[in-house]
Amino acid sequence: GEDVEQSLFLSVREGDSSVINCTYTDSSSTYLYWYKQEPGAGLQLLTYIFSNMDMKQDQRLTVLLNKKDKHLSLRIADTQTGDSAIYFCAVDAYSGAGSYQLTFGKGTKLSVIP
Amino acid sequence: EAQVTQNPRYLITVTGKKLTVTCSQNMNHEYMSWYRQDPGLGLRQIYYSMNVEVTDKGDVPEGYKVSRKEKRNFPLILESPSPNQTSLYFCASSSRTVNSPLHFGNGTRLTVT
Repeated sequence: GEDVEQSLFLSVREGDSSVINCTYTDSSSTYLYWYKQEPGAGLQLLTYIFSNMDMKQDQRLTVLLNKKDKHLSLRIADTQTGDSAIYFCAVDAYSGAGSYQLTFGKGTKLSVIP
Repeated sequence: EAQVTQNPRYLITVTGKKLTVTCSQNMNHEYMSWYRQDPGLGLRQIYYSMNVEVTDKGDVPEGYKVSRKEKRNFPLILESPSPNQTSLYFCASSSRTVNSPLHFGNGTRLTVT
């Protein structure tokens, strides 16, 4: 099955850029997602990228996908204290019978230092 | 408002006392799933359901039961809870077609003493 890996912790200073990395194993993955979990809350979809794209930008967020290396990254520009959260990479792959199974990484805890 | 609702948010119980965590979604989603979240282990899938009366084991199903009698509800049942089931539990749903992200509930923090 799919295996999704990401580092567990990242610490950055307020105003700097944050880059959270993720690697996956299944080359047939179709959509790749980033979810954000704030303290005491569930996971919220932050952004996603389709597997035929290399890059997607959405305001302060930039997603980069390297299909050859099966590497996904999330860049947050001008990181703010409100960006402190756990960020999960999730990879969607066709699991047969018209359905898709989502596999999550373990999550990267981003700490923003004021 | 489209949402996944879990109850209760917090639950403290004792070993062996049966409990049920409810989950309901109002988006007419076919797919529903339960996860547990533990420090350093991320999200692990317990059970999932592709549609009414169709349920399948996830990665960590031992000690849990589920049922899907109606499309909107997917309760998680712990027949005889044990301390190693102390965790943060999330219910999620989606339409499970391509590019249909999961919608998550706000979680249930369970403590078994």
